[in-house]
Amino acid sequence: KQEVTQIPAALSVPEGENLVLNCSFTDSAIYNLQWFRQDPGKGLTSLLLIQSSQREQTSGRLNASLDKSSGRSTLYIAASQPGDSATYLCAVGRGGATNKLIFGTGTLLAVQP
Amino acid sequence: GAVVSQHPSWVICKSGTSVKIECRSLDFQATTMFWYRQFPKQSLMLMATSNEGSKATYEQGVEKDKFLINHASLTLSTLTVTSAHPEDSSFYICSAELREGREKLFFGSGTQLSVL
Repeated sequence: KQEVTQIPAALSVPEGENLVLNCSFTDSAIYNLQWFRQDPGKGLTSLLLIQSSQREQTSGRLNASLDKSSGRSTLYIAASQPGDSATYLCAVGRGGATNKLIFGTGTLLAVQP
Repeated sequence: GAVVSQHPSWVICKSGTSVKIECRSLDFQATTMFWYRQFPKQSLMLMATSNEGSKATYEQGVEKDKFLINHASLTLSTLTVTSAHPEDSSFYICSAELREGREKLFFGSGTQLSVL
C-alpha cells in the first residue's frame, strides 16, 4: 500500500528565505507526482506535475525534483513571500485507467513578513 | 485553465438529514471525477471514483449506501451524504479529469459539511 509522508509538518520562515519541502513515498512504481497548494478552507491549486520519467519541473520560483528510486521528491521555493503561506501537499499518481492520487500529510508553511 | 465548480461551499445540517454536493466542470468534459474527504489537520483521502454513465468505484472502508455518487453527465457529478451524522462532518473536495489529458486534474473549491 502506497504511503506518502511529508516533512516537516509545519515550517515558519522569514520573508525572502529559500526553503525546501520534502515528500517521500513507499512504492516507487508511480505514474507521476504532483505538488499542490491549499489555502485554508479552499480547494487545491496544482503547482507542478512531474512525470515518472522526469527528474524535475520548474515554474517561476518553484522547482520540484523527483527521485523515484529513493522514493523522494522535494519542492524548492526561492525568495519566499508572505503570499506563499499555505499548506503544500504532494500527491502520487497511481496511473492505470484513471489517475488516482494518494496525498501526503501536508506541510503548513508560514512566511513571516 | 479549466474550472471546476463545487457547490455549496459550506453546509450545516441536522443529524439524520441528507446533503447533496455538486461538482461541475465548467469548460471541459470530465469522464472521470474523484471525491475526497479531508478531516481537520489530515490529508485528503480518496473516497470514490466516479465515471460518467456507470457506477462509482468506492475505496475500501467507504460505505456505498451512505455516500451516493451520481455522474449523470460529462460535466456533473454529485455526492449525497445520506442520513448524515456528526462524524461525517468534514471537508469534501471533488476533482475532475480532463478528457484529452489523463494527467490533468482540476479541483473544486471544496465543501465544508457540519452535522449537528
